[in-house]
Amino acid sequence: AQSVTQLGSHVSVSEGALVLLRCNYSSSVPPYLFWYVQYPNQGLQLLLKYTSAATLVKGINGFEAEFKKSETSFHLTKPSAHMSDAAEYFCAVATPGGYNKLIFGAGTRLAVHP
Amino acid sequence: SAVISQKPSRDICQRGTSLTIQCQVDSQVTMMFWYRQQPGQSLTLIATANQGSEATYESGFVIDKFPISRPNLTFSTLTVSNMSPEDSSIYLCSVEVGAGYGYTFGSGTRLTVV
Repeated sequence: AQSVTQLGSHVSVSEGALVLLRCNYSSSVPPYLFWYVQYPNQGLQLLLKYTSAATLVKGINGFEAEFKKSETSFHLTKPSAHMSDAAEYFCAVATPGGYNKLIFGAGTRLAVHP
Repeated sequence: SAVISQKPSRDICQRGTSLTIQCQVDSQVTMMFWYRQQPGQSLTLIATANQGSEATYESGFVIDKFPISRPNLTFSTLTVSNMSPEDSSIYLCSVEVGAGYGYTFGSGTRLTVV
């Protein structure tokens, strides 16, 4: 069975500082991996996805993530945090092959302080 | 990517009643997924709906409580039956448009049961 673990339910950074949100996955087959963002009282927005192409994936709003098979990780980073990045971030995993369910991690709430 | 229209966007319901949530996609999709997001929590998959067959429910969710219809390739409904305050959550539908293209989510239905 697939699963996702997000380390740190709350992360706080200063504006301009590096953002690092951690995600580790468990999967019996090479997975598809996703990061979603949810702003307060809004729906889910796809930040980026890994689908077995390049291991370093660039997404929207300056975010990127690197797939590391040896570490079973897919951490999300952004070089410089902005106040508007404050939101809930979810890592998710799916089985390649199409039309398979997406399994979410518990989420990490990012706070950005001036 | 697909565009999903979900309604209602929010509702306040009396306990013991039922609410049907609609999800309309602007393209034909094989699978539709229904998720629940309880307050302050991550997303949990309720069931997977395939057109022309019964939905497949995840552990902890049953058809009597969450009946699902999937009459065609662009539409699905989720009913929350005999509601209690514990059913107060955001309910979201999702589709995957082709393998590896990512999953799109509706804007969600925010349900409050009083």
